[in-house]
Amino acid sequence: RKEVEQDPGPFNVPEGATVAFNCTYSNSASQSFFWYRQDCRKEPKLLMSVYSSGNEDGRFTAQLNRASQYISLLIRDSKLSDSATYLCVVGRWKLSFGAGTTVTVRA
Amino acid sequence: EAEVAQSPRYKITEKSQAVAFWCDPISGHATLYWYRQILGQGPELLVQFQDESVVDDSQLPKDRFSAERLKGVDSTLKIQPAELGDSAMYLCASSPREGRENSPLHFGNGTRLTVT
Repeated sequence: RKEVEQDPGPFNVPEGATVAFNCTYSNSASQSFFWYRQDCRKEPKLLMSVYSSGNEDGRFTAQLNRASQYISLLIRDSKLSDSATYLCVVGRWKLSFGAGTTVTVRA
Repeated sequence: EAEVAQSPRYKITEKSQAVAFWCDPISGHATLYWYRQILGQGPELLVQFQDESVVDDSQLPKDRFSAERLKGVDSTLKIQPAELGDSAMYLCASSPREGRENSPLHFGNGTRLTVT
C-alpha cells in the first residue's frame, strides 16, 4: 500500500463551481500535512498547511480526519487559474508525496 | 522572497554519460532535499541532508547516484552513468529545520533531465 494515495482525477469543473477531493495516508503517526499546487512542468508550490482543527485560506479549505486517516481540500468559486495538479504531502520525520489530483476549471 | 536556486534548468545527455545538478538552498535552511519526479507521479525523495550530514538516502540508487553537501550549504547531485530511465525532473527543496513537526518544503525550479 502506498504511503499517500490520491484520486488522480481529472476533476473538470466550470468556473464558479466547488470542487473537493481527498488524500488518504497509511502512517497513523503522521504529524505534518500540507497541500501543494503544481502547474504543468513547474515545481510544486506550497498552497497551505493542514491543521488538526481545519483551516481556510481564502477560497481554499483544508480538513484533517485523523480517525479515518485522510485530508481533504475544497476549492470554492473555482477560477480558471485554479487549474493545476494538487499534491498531498504527509509525514513525520519524512514527508511523502501523493501522485496528485488534477483539476481543470473550464470557462 | 528568497528562493532555492537550481542549475541547469534543462539537461540533455546520452546514456552512459555523467551528469551533475547543483542546488543552493534558501539562506539559513539547514535541511536540503533532492527529489525525482517522473511525469504523472509525485516527487520521490532521493536524499535528505541535515546540514552536511545525510539523514536519509534509502531511495538513492547508490550504484550510480551520489550527493554531497560538503559545507552544509549548497549541494550537488551526480549520476554516473546515466540511464534512459533517469529521464525525469530533479527537484531540490529546503526547509528551515528538521524536527518532530516538519516544516514546509520550498522548491527550486528543478532540472529537467532527458537521457537519450
